[in-house]
Amino acid sequence: AQTVTQSQPEMSVQEAETVTLSCTYDTSESDYYLFWYKQPPSRQMILVIRQEAYKQQNATENRFSVNFQKAAKSFSLKISDSQLGDAAMYFCAHGGSNYQLIWGAGTKLIIKP
Amino acid sequence: NAGVTQTPKFQVLKTGQSMTLQCAQDMNHNSMYWYRQDPGMGLRLIYYSASEGTTDKGEVPNGYNVSRLNKREFSLRLESAAPSQTSVYFCASSESLSVNSPLHFGNGTRLTVT
Repeated sequence: AQTVTQSQPEMSVQEAETVTLSCTYDTSESDYYLFWYKQPPSRQMILVIRQEAYKQQNATENRFSVNFQKAAKSFSLKISDSQLGDAAMYFCAHGGSNYQLIWGAGTKLIIKP
Repeated sequence: NAGVTQTPKFQVLKTGQSMTLQCAQDMNHNSMYWYRQDPGMGLRLIYYSASEGTTDKGEVPNGYNVSRLNKREFSLRLESAAPSQTSVYFCASSESLSVNSPLHFGNGTRLTVT
């Protein structure tokens, strides 16, 4: 069965610094997608970034980038120049052929001013 | 452009009561979903609708029913609420069922069953 593990329940970072959130997954599929979603205190889940497994190049969206290691089944999120508005829960998710996303338990990111 | 709208935002039920959570999207999306979010766990899919007129069970469908009323609306019904159904419920939509199609979420409904 597919699983997604986020081993860091909580992380904190100083404003303007860089932080990396970890995610590992288990799948038997060769073609799939990986996602990072952000959930601020407003509760609404927002897509941050996504990666297609067959693409070797790591996805980047402004200050957000991923380190995708397919062989290691690792998909970490790097946030550069952290801002107060980045404070949120971050969820990693895996999507394969059965159309259903499998979600990690989340990492709470605290930004220290 | 409202996106995905869920009502109500909060609800308290007594065990055995019934209620319907409403969800509507204005993005002309084909697919809609209901998830629940529990502390320390990832989102779990309850039901989904690939397109108007179809619904399918997700990972945790027991105790729930859904109706895809039209392309815009997808409701979730609890016929006889149980304390185990205390959770935050999210509705989401996407252009298609493909996992490549990004999900757009509502703001959630916090349900407490006493």
